[in-house]
Formats: sequence, structure tokens, C-alpha cells
Amino acid sequence: AQSVTQLDSQVPVFEEAPVELRCNYSSSVSVYLFWYVQYPNQGLQLLLKYLSGSTLVKGINGFEAEFNKSQTSFHLRKPSVHISDTAEYFCAVRPPYGGATNKLIFGTGTLLAVQP
Amino acid sequence: DGGITQSPKYLFRKEGQNVTLSCEQNLNHDAMYWYRQDPGQGLRLIYYSQIVNDFQKGDIAEGYSVSREKKESFPLTVTSAQKNPTAFYLCASSIRPGAGGPEAFFGQGTRLTVV
Repeated sequence: AQSVTQLDSQVPVFEEAPVELRCNYSSSVSVYLFWYVQYPNQGLQLLLKYLSGSTLVKGINGFEAEFNKSQTSFHLRKPSVHISDTAEYFCAVRPPYGGATNKLIFGTGTLLAVQP
Repeated sequence: DGGITQSPKYLFRKEGQNVTLSCEQNLNHDAMYWYRQDPGQGLRLIYYSQIVNDFQKGDIAEGYSVSREKKESFPLTVTSAQKNPTAFYLCASSIRPGAGGPEAFFGQGTRLTVV
């Protein structure tokens, strides 16, 4: 079975500062990895995904994430945040096709609070 | 435009009443999912369906029921047996295995409040 741990429930940061949101996963098989963003009272929007290949993945809105297999991590980074980045961010994993199910497993989320 | 439509956005019901949340997609996706979101708990899977006329329980299926009579539609019924139904409900869909990216696409959610 897979699981996802987001170590920080809330990350306060000043505008234009860099940020890293941490995500660690546990799985006995290889997985696909995702980061989603959720603005208040809205659904989830895909930021980026890692399926295979290059371990550095670039997404929308200037975000990027690095897959580290040895540390089973998939941390999300942005070099300079904006007020508009304030939202909740979810890390998720999914077994590759051919597994028992194709369902996404989510972490508990990290609230990124950008302050002026 | 293709997407997932959840309705209504806000729903109020009296305790003890069943209520059905609508989810429709025009993305031609085979798989559909229902998640429940509570503050500090992330998203928990209620039910999912990989093909028409077939669905499986997720992690918190008790007190919920679903149907999948059409590929486009996956309604969720919150029954009176659900002990604490007040929550934000999210519907999602994804393409069938091997046909494209494995990511899920989400609707805008329905906030259910039971009084």
C-alpha cells in the first residue's frame, strides 16, 4: 500500500521569498507523483507530475519539484512567491497502470500563506 | 469546453434526509472518483468507478452510495446512515489506463451542510 506524508500543515512566507513544500511517500512499488493546488472553495488543479525520466519536473505558475528515489521525496519549490500563490497544496501518489487500483492517494495538505 | 461539473455548489439538508450530489464529465474519461475533504485531513476516497456499471468502495464508503449507469455521470448519495456528512465533496475523473496521462481532473466541489 502507498502513503503520503506532508510534513508541514502550514508554511508562512513573505512575498518574493523562496519556498519549499515537503512531501515524502511510502510505497513498495514505483509510483507516479503529483502536486495539486486548491484555492478556497474550489476544486484541485494539477500543478505538475512525475511519471518517469528527468527527476526535475517543471509545472505551471513557476513551480517545480524534484523526485528523489533514495529519499522517497517529491518536494515542491518556487524561487519567488507571490500573494496569489496563497492556497493549499496537496501531494499525491498513484501506482502505475496494472496495479490493483488506479486511485490517487493524497497527503493531508500544506497551506502556503504568502504575506506582503 | 471539456470538464467536470458538480452541482449544486452549496447544499443544505436536514439531519436524517438522504441527499444526492451530481457529477457529470464530458472528457470521455473511463474512471471517476468521489473524495471527501475535511479540514486538516486532506482528501479521503469514498467510492470509485473504473468502467460503467462497476464501482468499488474507497476508504470511507460507509453511509454513502453511488451508481454508474452512464460513462458521463457518477452521482453520490449521502444517506442518513452517514454520521457526520457535513463536508466538502470533490468529484474527479481520469482516462483509462494506457491511453494517456494518469492524472485526475477535479470538479469545483459541493459543500454539503447538514443542520
